[in-house]
Amino acid sequence: DVKVTQSSRYLVKRTGEKVFLECVQDMDHENMFWYRQDPGLGLRLIYFSYDVKMKEKGDIPEGYSVSREKKERFSLILESASTNQTSMYLCAYAGQGRYNEQFFGPGTRLTVL
Amino acid sequence: QKEVEQDPGPLSVPEGAIVSLNCTYSNSAFQYFMWYRQYSRKGPELLMYTYSSGNKEDGRFTAQVDKSSKYISLFIRDSQPSDSATYLCAMSDYGGSQGNLIFGKGTKLSVKP
Repeated sequence: DVKVTQSSRYLVKRTGEKVFLECVQDMDHENMFWYRQDPGLGLRLIYFSYDVKMKEKGDIPEGYSVSREKKERFSLILESASTNQTSMYLCAYAGQGRYNEQFFGPGTRLTVL
Repeated sequence: QKEVEQDPGPLSVPEGAIVSLNCTYSNSAFQYFMWYRQYSRKGPELLMYTYSSGNKEDGRFTAQVDKSSKYISLFIRDSQPSDSATYLCAMSDYGGSQGNLIFGKGTKLSVKP
């Protein structure tokens, strides 16, 4: 089974800090995604990447950036964390099948104080 | 009108009941449909996927797509307490590696022993 790991399950940061969330997949999948999930709002796409050094904005990219230097690693960066970025962050990769199904990591629960 | 509508619940049923979870959508180009299950504080896991219209069965789970009505359903037979989770529908307008998924907001299900 392909695994997706995220660097932390729980993270507490202060307003204004720079925050790095890392996601690693253990296969050669090209497409990777970052979502945030909030009660009542569901999953919202922040950024996605179709290959190394490629990135595309999702629905809510403001306040975030991403880095994809190696195929297996996709990092989400909060340049200056704010309290409204307190959320569950989920990384996913897309399988090779025709359904474009996505497989998720365990998530990082980020709290910004 | 939102692209994908899903009743948030919560839905509470007794053990052994048949559960029906539903999503409606507005984009007639959607043809790949998925259901995810998400346990509390975990990432979503892919449960079932279907292409175009019709039914697909996997054990106690049946996924149904009615493209003419733009309506998809997930049925759970003989529901168990371990089925208690949030269920998200997801869909895409084309397969392959370049399509993104559009998610419903999820329905929270509780199966009481």
